[in-house]
Amino acid sequence: DTGVSQNPRHKITKRGQNVTFRCDPISEHNRLYWYRQTLGQGPEFLTYFQNEAQLEKSRLLSDRFSAERPKGSFSTLEIQRTEQGDSAMYLCASSPSPGTGDETQYFGPGTRLLVL
Amino acid sequence: KQEVTQIPAALSVPEGENLVLNCSFTDSAIYNLQWFRQDPGKGLTSLLLIQSSQREQTSGRLNASLDKSSGRSTLYIAASQPGDSATYLCAVRLTGYSTLTFGKGTMLLVSP
Repeated sequence: DTGVSQNPRHKITKRGQNVTFRCDPISEHNRLYWYRQTLGQGPEFLTYFQNEAQLEKSRLLSDRFSAERPKGSFSTLEIQRTEQGDSAMYLCASSPSPGTGDETQYFGPGTRLLVL
Repeated sequence: KQEVTQIPAALSVPEGENLVLNCSFTDSAIYNLQWFRQDPGKGLTSLLLIQSSQREQTSGRLNASLDKSSGRSTLYIAASQPGDSATYLCAVRLTGYSTLTFGKGTMLLVSP
């Protein structure tokens, strides 16, 4: 298993454009999380999936943000009409099903977004 | 709302020193606590996870302790090496939730 992967690793876009990020979790992990991290801060929770169901969304996730996990495997995070304040590192994490004995959240390398 | 604080914000030590990083949290109803390492511009690497019922966990030169009643955790690094230079993040998961609340991290520099 190669761990959690995220694509692209870097994205530069102009204000007002839409962007989409992809996360591939560790296989058989049914829980998937998105976090956002700005410079000098710890990651902040955005949204959480268990299988294909989006169970929790942070108030940070404005209506310009949407996330999907259509078949309970990979997930996409889309930002519409990007703003300069959206510039950040977007991190994806996955964790196994409850009861496996492993409660660790495993993080991907992140997608760094710069909005000009 | 859970708040997680990490002290110090930055730490610089010579190689070989033992050091302690501190993490405090405001809501003691935690399910577990994780320590992560983050290299510049990279994702997070999990170091240790302590369940709420545990007092400490060890992995190699790392030892993490948890005191739920006082809302504190420490990460002890023995015989520090230049390769330990990174930002160390503490994250708390509350009981009944699946998501993590992070501190801002401690930036560690170990000089040769």
